[in-house]
Amino acid sequence: EAGVAQSPRYKIIEKRQSVAFWCNPISGHATLYWYQQILGQGPKLLIQFQNNGVVDDSQLPKDRFSAERLKGVDSTLKIQPAKLEDSAVYLCASSLNPHGEHANTGELFFGEGSRLTVL
Amino acid sequence: LAKTTQPISMDSYEGQEVNITCSHNNIATNDYITWYQQFPSQGPRFIIQGYKTKVKNEVASLFIPADRKSSTLSLPRVSLSDTAVYYCLVGWNSGGYQKVTFGTGTKLQVIP
Repeated sequence: EAGVAQSPRYKIIEKRQSVAFWCNPISGHATLYWYQQILGQGPKLLIQFQNNGVVDDSQLPKDRFSAERLKGVDSTLKIQPAKLEDSAVYLCASSLNPHGEHANTGELFFGEGSRLTVL
Repeated sequence: LAKTTQPISMDSYEGQEVNITCSHNNIATNDYITWYQQFPSQGPRFIIQGYKTKVKNEVASLFIPADRKSSTLSLPRVSLSDTAVYYCLVGWNSGGYQKVTFGTGTKLQVIP
């Protein structure tokens, strides 16, 4: 079974430039997450999709970050304009969560991440 | 929202059993406890999940006391390849959707 695919693996940009990250989740996984992981810290949830709808984007800096999952499969995370503090690894994860009573028991499958360096 | 607390780092010699304890004092009735492992330059990987008592798989064991306010991940006979960061998570159900929050994790260093 193919895992979660992410690209690019590495990206270096200057501040105020824009960048986009792509994620292809495991086939059939309805839930998709984008996490930001700053060096030395645990992953921080940016946005959570259920199919193509947003479930949680409370920690997404909406003035510069945007994400979409138009057909309920692939997703794109965009940063525009980038700041120095956006330097981090952006992790995509997917889950075959059942919606409803047992939703909190699902296993998250992570991609290898996209490492962003903002100069 | 159940916050987790775990040691920042631990060292262990190869071949020893390692126990990492996580505190989650305000865990709710329907919350599950899950542990993930993360190697450098990789995304976290699921290790084990439990609700109460003991759960065991081919990789680790998870001990959860009756009050569920803590949990202990046990790794038997660690090797150098077990050097990684281990995250304890409490997952809850919010409006029918899974919610999880990662803490800072425990960095385990296995020494030859």
